[in-house]
Amino acid sequence: GAGVSQTPSNKVTEKGKYVELRCDPISGHTALYWYRQSLGQGPEFLIYFQGTGAADDSGLPNDRFFAVRPEGSVSTLKIQRTERGDSAVYLCASSLKWGAGANVLTFGAGSRLTVL
Amino acid sequence: KNEVGQSPQNLTAQEGEFITINCSYSVGISALHWLQQHPGGGIVSLFMLSSGKKKHGRLIATINIQEKHSSLHITASHPRDSAVYICAVSSPSGGAQKLVFGQGTRLTINP
Repeated sequence: GAGVSQTPSNKVTEKGKYVELRCDPISGHTALYWYRQSLGQGPEFLIYFQGTGAADDSGLPNDRFFAVRPEGSVSTLKIQRTERGDSAVYLCASSLKWGAGANVLTFGAGSRLTVL
Repeated sequence: KNEVGQSPQNLTAQEGEFITINCSYSVGISALHWLQQHPGGGIVSLFMLSSGKKKHGRLIATINIQEKHSSLHITASHPRDSAVYICAVSSPSGGAQKLVFGQGTRLTINP
């Protein structure tokens, strides 16, 4: 697509529920990143995909968080047993891995998660 | 881990004023990014630079590698420039996935 698309834009859930957040990157971008932004803070790195594989998941806060990108395009961030502290805006970004556009990120509008 | 600090945290100015936002970091980097985030909107990449200076329209970004410092300047500021401006750095050992972000500078330009 023309830009990075994230759905849902807003998600309100109850503590303990399971949540999935979806990211559709720019067509042809092999690198995909998930970040989390809490209120008043800059984004924090969660996980990075190069193609289908998670090249770096060192930012995932604990094993309740998991992300997949089975076909090297759309990615889903999955949060199990949500906690109130998971409330944040989850940002997805994509980039080319090689060439002139490498490492220049294009961000989606984010998915705002609120855990009650 | 690189520590990234921005100043000021909040900045309010009148239309037409020259704006400067500063970013400093603690460890050597491979690149520094300036990003713009509008309220309720996504993040837009403004610049990625590793040395010297870049200019795009009314925006100018400079970096001093020795001083570990970068500035973002806006000339002839306009209310539509109101946004949060975020500085982010990537380490020599990692790519964009290792970006460390500053906390952002909230800029408000009054007409």
